[in-house]
Order: sequence, then C-alpha cells, then structure tokens
Amino acid sequence: DTAVSQTPKYLVTQMGNDKSIKCEQNLGHDTMYWYKQDSKKFLKIMFSYNNKELIINETVPNRFSPKSPDKAHLNLHINSLELGDSAVYFCASSPPKSSYGYTFGSGTRLTVV
Amino acid sequence: GEDVEQSLFLSVREGDSSVINCTYTDSSSTYLYWYKQEPGAGLQLLTYIFSNMDMKQDQRLTVLLNKKDKHLSLRIADTQTGDSAIYFCAESAPTDSWGKLQFGAGTQVVVTP
Repeated sequence: DTAVSQTPKYLVTQMGNDKSIKCEQNLGHDTMYWYKQDSKKFLKIMFSYNNKELIINETVPNRFSPKSPDKAHLNLHINSLELGDSAVYFCASSPPKSSYGYTFGSGTRLTVV
Repeated sequence: GEDVEQSLFLSVREGDSSVINCTYTDSSSTYLYWYKQEPGAGLQLLTYIFSNMDMKQDQRLTVLLNKKDKHLSLRIADTQTGDSAIYFCAESAPTDSWGKLQFGAGTQVVVTP
C-alpha cells in the first residue's frame, strides 16, 4: 500500500496551460507539504497544510494554488504554466509538530515546453 | 538550501566506508535528518538525531553531530552498490513548530565495484 501517492508521475504540457497535481496520504497524518526540486536537486518548500488549513506559504507565485479538501489530500493547481516551472514536485506528510521527519511521495516530473 | 551546505559529490569503492558531511547555520535546530533519494524516487528518511545527542548508530549508519561547529556527518559502513544515491541533510528548527525542513543541496554518492 502506497503511503503518499501523487498523480500523475509525469506531466508534459505547453506554456500557458493550467494543470493540477494530486496527492493523497493514507497514514492518518495531519500535516502535508509541497516541495519543488529543481534541476540541480535543490529542494524548496512551497506550501504546508495542517488539517486542511494553510500553515506555510513560501514565496511562490500566485499562479500556484494549493487545495486541501480534507486532511488526507493536498492538491496543487498551477495556472499559466511557464518554462521555469519545469521541476519535480514532491508531496509529503507528517504527524503534526513531528520530530520523525516526512514521508515523501515519489514525485511528479513536470516538463513545460 | 542556503542554510544547510553539503559537498556535491562523493565516490567510494564497494566495501569501503563513506562519510558524507553537512554544515548548518541554525543553532536552534532541534532535529537533524538524513534522507536518501534513489533515481526517479522520492526521499526516504534514513535516520535522524536530536540536537542533544553526539552520536547515533543504526546498523551500517552512524550519525555524528558537533553542535559547536554545527557539523553533521553520516558514515555508511561497508558501502554497497545499492547505496548509490543522493543523500540530503535537513534541519528543523523549534521556531517553526509545524515541521518545516530546510534541506541541503544533496551529495551524490557513487559506489564503484
């Protein structure tokens, strides 16, 4: 059973399109995250939700809009995609205020052409 | 990440020990983590250490923490080809109680026969 699952695994789209990435966790965790990994493997947090409420919103263009319909899901919608949005996007979850680190999904590789 | 630094590459022969180093800047960090990322996969938590510890051992993995120098290392004994991956150091700070992690840029470890 996959603990944190993301769909799709690969996404190729043209500039200007709108796309969504879905994330679901079955671990019963309260906190979920979106991280972006660029071509140099650098990981940067984008958003964090705790029990459906936005907790962390780093400096991310407002073309990116997270949505958490319930605490097991955190989806990422991206409007007007740009070439610089090409990256691997990772969803993760953890218990609240956890010391035990995150459980990551396997990532969504987004390529904007 | 600008607050967590790692060397970018390490080559090691199979059977030898690997040592991956990391420096961090936030002296209030409470937990420090090591994650492993294999090609095309998400990040897997390997081990973590609480800031009041100097050392933690877990099978082939030994974590050393020098709080004075803000230096963290991961030693892998008897390195195997399956240990080839990118290893990320990460810190969490108590000022951010929602578990946000700051990652280093990752160390690519290549194990040669």
